Amino acid sequence: GQSLEQPSEVTAVEGAIVQINCTYQTSGFYGLSWYQQHDGGAPTFLSYNALDGLEETGRFSSFLSRSDSYGYLLLQELQMKDSASYFCAVTGFQKLVFGTGTRLLVSP
Amino acid sequence: SAVISQKPSRDICQRGTSLTIQCQVDSQVTMMFWYRQQPGQSLTLIATANQGSEATYESGFVIDKFPISRPNLTFSTLTVSNMSPEDSSIYLCSARGTSARTDTQYFGPGTRLTVL
Repeated sequence: GQSLEQPSEVTAVEGAIVQINCTYQTSGFYGLSWYQQHDGGAPTFLSYNALDGLEETGRFSSFLSRSDSYGYLLLQELQMKDSASYFCAVTGFQKLVFGTGTRLLVSP
Repeated sequence: SAVISQKPSRDICQRGTSLTIQCQVDSQVTMMFWYRQQPGQSLTLIATANQGSEATYESGFVIDKFPISRPNLTFSTLTVSNMSPEDSSIYLCSARGTSARTDTQYFGPGTRLTVL
């Protein structure tokens, strides 16, 4: 089977840096993606790691270690609008399987 | 990027009835999927909608309960059959494989279903 574990909730203040971890057990691994979902909204793509290392996209960075079956999403210079749920997702053979999700609460 | 629309956006249905959800993508995509999401929970993949052939269902989901059609590269439907209150959820259509990036998956706004 497949499983992806994330912390259920993370809190931080504006301007801070937060890291959301994801550990996975899966077969047929092609890469690790991250999605953001605001309450009542659709998930939107943030980043994708196919290889080990760090990918940076503006304030967001994502890291992958295939040998450790581990990845994280790093959010810098947090803003109130970053309050949302964040999901890691494994790209397997032809399909995307989502993690348990992390609710990020950013306070002033 | 791909823009995905779904109809209806929400519905309230009686148990024992069926509802068909439509999904339209504004560009040709290679793969379309249907997910279910309880409020505050993660997304669970129901099935992959295959163009011109039977959908591929995930464990725990069967064709009789969730028949899916995909007559072309931009359109798919999901039917929730013989509904019960346990089927109350948000149903999301998703697509992947546009010309921009094949690793990016796009989602529709979802259909919020309540079964009484």
